[in-house]
Amino acid sequence: GESVGLHLPTLSVQEGDNSIINCAYSNSASDYFIWYKQESGKGPQFIIDIRSNMDKRQGQRVTVLLNKTVKHLSLQIAATQPGDSAVYFCAENIGSGGGADGLTFGKGTHLIIQP
Amino acid sequence: EAGVTQFPSHSVIEKGQTVTLRCDPISGHDNLYWYRRVMGKEIKFLLHFVKESKQDESGMPNNRFLAERTGGTYSTLKVQPAELEDSGVYFCASSQGPGQSLMNTEAFFGQGTRLTVV
Repeated sequence: GESVGLHLPTLSVQEGDNSIINCAYSNSASDYFIWYKQESGKGPQFIIDIRSNMDKRQGQRVTVLLNKTVKHLSLQIAATQPGDSAVYFCAENIGSGGGADGLTFGKGTHLIIQP
Repeated sequence: EAGVTQFPSHSVIEKGQTVTLRCDPISGHDNLYWYRRVMGKEIKFLLHFVKESKQDESGMPNNRFLAERTGGTYSTLKVQPAELEDSGVYFCASSQGPGQSLMNTEAFFGQGTRLTVV
């Protein structure tokens, strides 16, 4: 698959439990952050985003937390389901280009939901 | 409504040959982006079109890569001549709105084209 050679960190979680995926970013000028989910054979799918003037944003079963002090981003998934198994990427954007202009992607984390 | 579609899904070519990848964005999306992930590396930005104009091509690796979006609809990415290090997955994405908008709008990615140069 696409992850061959990438040696992604893996997080294994029991179905129904909550999961937390972490991401560190390096550029303090980044002002827009996105979490993407990528299933095998598909492109990245937008999950949730957050701007730098916020420290928390909630969606359906997902919460993104931003700590600008330590340049850390996390994605919390509540009550995980088998369909949550995928590779999760954080991405950051410098400036206000919007959309997907000039995004810097992280390496990704492989989330495995155990039945 | 159809999503972002990319063609072909897989391409295997020999070093030195030419390959052209195509991306059909979601209808009405002004913004079109190309990204790629070469083996063992992160997904990297290549360039951004707003309609038919190149808004940002800072990620294009070298002059062997040529992207076009004539008429502001579909886009092509040509690699000529292809080298071994060009192998990877090439993603296209599109989003609504003018490129200069301060509102971040969701970008939709295609399934990618897996390019293998041998």
